[in-house]
Order: sequence, then C-alpha cells, then structure tokens
Amino acid sequence: EPEVTQTPSHQVTQMGQEVILRCVPISNHLYFYWYRQILGQKVEFLVSFYNNEISEKSEIFDDQFSVERPDGSNFTLKIRSTKLEDSAMYFCASSSNRRAGSKETQYFGPGTRLLVL
Amino acid sequence: GQNIDQPTEMTATEGAIVQINCTYQTSGFNGLFWYQQHAGEAPTFLSYNVLDGLEEKGRFSSFLSRSKGYSYLLLKELQMKDSASYLCAVRGSARQLTFGSGTQLTVLP
Repeated sequence: EPEVTQTPSHQVTQMGQEVILRCVPISNHLYFYWYRQILGQKVEFLVSFYNNEISEKSEIFDDQFSVERPDGSNFTLKIRSTKLEDSAMYFCASSSNRRAGSKETQYFGPGTRLLVL
Repeated sequence: GQNIDQPTEMTATEGAIVQINCTYQTSGFNGLFWYQQHAGEAPTFLSYNVLDGLEEKGRFSSFLSRSKGYSYLLLKELQMKDSASYLCAVRGSARQLTFGSGTQLTVLP
C-alpha cells in the first residue's frame, strides 16, 4: 500500500541553525501539507501546497518557514533559524482529490521529531 | 475561527463498547474525520463523515449531526491495541484539517 515517507526520523539541532525536513508524498497525490505537534499538544496545520505553490498557511508559518518541491517526488520544509519552541514532531501529509468537499483523505507520514537545543 | 472539543481521557474494558464525542464550531464545513494516533506515531485515518448519519466500518462507526455540530466515534469489541489517542478533525472551507486535542483511550483487561 502506498505511503508517505519522511526523513530524517529524528533531528537534533542547535538554536539558530537551519533544518530541512524531507517528505515523499504518495505518488499520485496532488495536495501536500505540513503539520506539527508539540509534545502533549494537538496537531496543528502549518501549510498546504498545490501546483507548485502555497495554497494556505497558518499563523505559525512565518518568514522562518518555507516549503519547496524541488523535484517530482520530494516535498521539503525548511526552518531558517530554529528556535527552542520549534521543537515538535513534524508530519507531512498528502491527498489526491481535486474536488473540495469530497472524501479527500489526508494520509500522514511517520513524522520527523525535531529537537532544538 | 475553529473550535473543536472532545474529552481528554476515557477508560473502557476489553470487549466493551465506547463512544467518543466531538463538538465543533467552524467557519465552513467540508467533512469531519477521525484519526487514531498511537504515542509517538502518525495519525492514521479511521473514518470520514460529510452528511448526517452513521458510517460503519467494521468495529468502528462514526456519526455526524451538522445542525448540532456534533460527531461521535463508536468502537465496539474493544481490544487492548485500541488504546490510543483518537483525534477529531474538521475540514472547513479550505483543505487543511483543524484537529481537536484528542481523546486518550485506555483499554483495560
């Protein structure tokens, strides 16, 4: 069964450093998402991406964040200068259906646990 | 804005039935999803409702009332492996999901 994959599974970085989190969405999917989950808190939406551009972003997704689809398979989230409060599990998700309101299930990857020291 | 409420914790016994409720207030509505999340793992899709009524899928059923802003997830014949967090999520006018805080279900032998 196709699945979303993410690398690395764990990342430890120093405050102020740049990190890039990588995702390979399900191959025929058109919509891509990043969510994060701070330990013990709810899953929060960061950004959605379609047709090589951002379609929606939340207040969390400030200028420190960027997303890119550098080739036909990868979807990346970059945090330019990490802060302590960026420590969280970052989930990539993808979905396929063009038509909003249909059963467009988002499938989540296993996540990258980011720890900023 | 979006607001989704669900109980923080529930406990049930193996073999029993448990109902996890979710109430929501959202701007726009394009479906309600239930996900299961084991500790340290990704959310996995369980069910989807966009019309009022009950959707059944094996041991799991989900109900939606749009007029009441209410859904529940029903788990039957509970097994130990069902111990997990159950996340209610709503898709509003945009495609992204807004999640509740999750209900941590503990299944006791």
